[in-house]
Amino acid sequence: AQTVTQSQPEMSVQEAETVTLSCTYDTSENNYYLFWYKQPPSRQMILVIRQEAYKQQNATENRFSVNFQKAAKSFSLKISDSQLGDTAMYFCAFMKHRGWGAQKLVFGQGTRLTINP
Amino acid sequence: GAVVSQHPSRVICKSGTSVKIECRSLDFQATTMFWYRQFPKQSLMLMATSNEGSKATYEQGVEKDKFLINHASLTLSTLTVTSAHPEDSSFYICSAQTGEDQPQHFGDGTRLSIL
Repeated sequence: AQTVTQSQPEMSVQEAETVTLSCTYDTSENNYYLFWYKQPPSRQMILVIRQEAYKQQNATENRFSVNFQKAAKSFSLKISDSQLGDTAMYFCAFMKHRGWGAQKLVFGQGTRLTINP
Repeated sequence: GAVVSQHPSRVICKSGTSVKIECRSLDFQATTMFWYRQFPKQSLMLMATSNEGSKATYEQGVEKDKFLINHASLTLSTLTVTSAHPEDSSFYICSAQTGEDQPQHFGDGTRLSIL
């Protein structure tokens, strides 16, 4: 079974700083997908970024980028020029390729990120 | 695009009541929907996977008779908490995929409080 681990329960940075959230996972599969979701106080789950395991290039979405290290099974999220609206719980998630059955998301424990003014 | 609507957003009811929560994909057809439960300050726990036209697949430890899931169409899945008790109080969230190998998109969740 796959597992996802986020070792940082809480993080806090000043506005405009850069912050990196860590995520490691365990799987025996070669094809899969990784995601970062954001859950602000409103509790809505918002997709931040996705990465396909077969792509070597790290995904980027504006101020958000990932450092995907497949061999190390590491998938960190970097937020540049952090903003107050980035304050939220961040979840790392793993999803199998469709060839391996139901595509359930496996979530990490979450990292609570606070951006201070 | 990829909007998932969940209703109601908040329910408060007496113990013994059955509560139905709806999850709709507004601008796409979802062959698969998922139901999660989230306790305060914790991660999401998958309860079941719902496929259109077939029985839901429940995760280990989730009571099928307590949490009834129906996925009658490609845009609607419902979760019914039967004879709810205070321990069923929680935040329930649904999600749907736009297609295979696509991310899950989430509804806004339902906060259920059983008195």
